[in-house]
Amino acid sequence: GAGVSQSPSNKVTEKGKDVELRCDPISGHTALYWYRQSLGQGLEFLIYFQGNSAPDKSGLPSDRFSAERTGGSVSTLTIQRTQQEDSAVYLCASSPQRYTEAFFGQGTRLTVV
Amino acid sequence: GIQVEQSPPDLILQEGANSTLRCNFSDSVNNLQWFHQNPWGQLINLFYIPSGTKQNGRLSATTVATERYSLLYISSSQTTDSGVYFCAVGEQTGANNLFFGTGTRLTVIP
Repeated sequence: GAGVSQSPSNKVTEKGKDVELRCDPISGHTALYWYRQSLGQGLEFLIYFQGNSAPDKSGLPSDRFSAERTGGSVSTLTIQRTQQEDSAVYLCASSPQRYTEAFFGQGTRLTVV
Repeated sequence: GIQVEQSPPDLILQEGANSTLRCNFSDSVNNLQWFHQNPWGQLINLFYIPSGTKQNGRLSATTVATERYSLLYISSSQTTDSGVYFCAVGEQTGANNLFFGTGTRLTVIP
């Protein structure tokens, strides 16, 4: 079956521009996570969605970052006024429900120039 | 949040050798996963193992939740095993997210 799909695979943007990153989770998965991974580093948690509950935004690094999940399925991560330190791979994961096995997409590599 | 420590940070093996990777965590967990990040950055699920022992081919894993550690065993290593191995855990109470260790970078040389 289809796994977690992210788009675009690569994105190059100019400093100060806004970007949107998309995540299509596995069908039927109620939990969805966003992480980012800077070059050579571990994974940093950004935000968590569970069903129709309010998202856990505790990992968002600044108010330039926001995310939404429409209809309990597709999620979009938006970064406003991008900075060079936002350059990283942004990874999305989904799981059937909280505390169950999570599956990751291939990531979006964001480069801010 | 929960602390996750992985060891060793780097490991170089000759093809055919065996290895053990360790993951220590600081609190009770309800979720523990091992991932392999391949050279293209994709995170591949290896095991979902909050407790007990599992085996899949040349790989096996054991989690002793009461002692707060997990081990990943790789036998008869191959060059395709190279990459970074991550352990990730979920807190039994509290945070929703998975907490990742800093990984073990494995290089298998022919």
